[in-house]
Amino acid sequence: SQQGEEDPQALSIQEGENATMNCSYKTSINNLQWYRQNSGRGLVHLILIRSNEREKHSGRLRVTLDTSKKSSSLLITASRAADTASYFCATDVGYGQNFVFGPGTRLSVLP
Amino acid sequence: GAVVSQHPSRVICKSGTSVKIECRSLDFQATTMFWYRQFPKQSLMLMATSNEGSKATYEQGVEKDKFLINHASLTLSTLTVTSAHPEDSSFYICSARDEWGRVGNSPLHFGNGTRLTVT
Repeated sequence: SQQGEEDPQALSIQEGENATMNCSYKTSINNLQWYRQNSGRGLVHLILIRSNEREKHSGRLRVTLDTSKKSSSLLITASRAADTASYFCATDVGYGQNFVFGPGTRLSVLP
Repeated sequence: GAVVSQHPSRVICKSGTSVKIECRSLDFQATTMFWYRQFPKQSLMLMATSNEGSKATYEQGVEKDKFLINHASLTLSTLTVTSAHPEDSSFYICSARDEWGRVGNSPLHFGNGTRLTVT
């Protein structure tokens, strides 16, 4: 079964607005990572948050992690049309093992 | 940053033929690479874990004889779709962790994927 599950599955906003995506998972993790995928392309790593961290920032990205609720959120502030993509969370459940990807959130930022 | 090159980006083949997809880590060594399949508007489905110098580990439901994986060096893994059929048409993506990933807390580096169409 899916370890990570994002919601919403799809999100449409206007340029300049903030976009928030959530991810829930089921087992203990070492870290959680967010990736972005443009249509027909591979995934690009955005940000990694360790299990002992609660919040992390990178440019317009803000990630939170609540291990007690087994959830994470990705906030994109001041969105741009170029942010249109699918966003996936991935949980790293063990050193050297594969990540488990959620189903993703398809974000559309309208100009 | 770490770069993974995947080739070809698109391939169209006839039913019954075999197709080889290459995944190379360009500026780092990868003892482990991962192969995924992705259907439209869906997430990545792990097919197999490719280990340098040893046999790949396949996920449940993935046919080993259908999807042959070879990881002969620290920078190259190949996926061969044998006797391809239209239902094998999909988007295949590889990823790799560099050697430091063995101690955790490092990201996956992805290739740009291969769009396979079997006619």
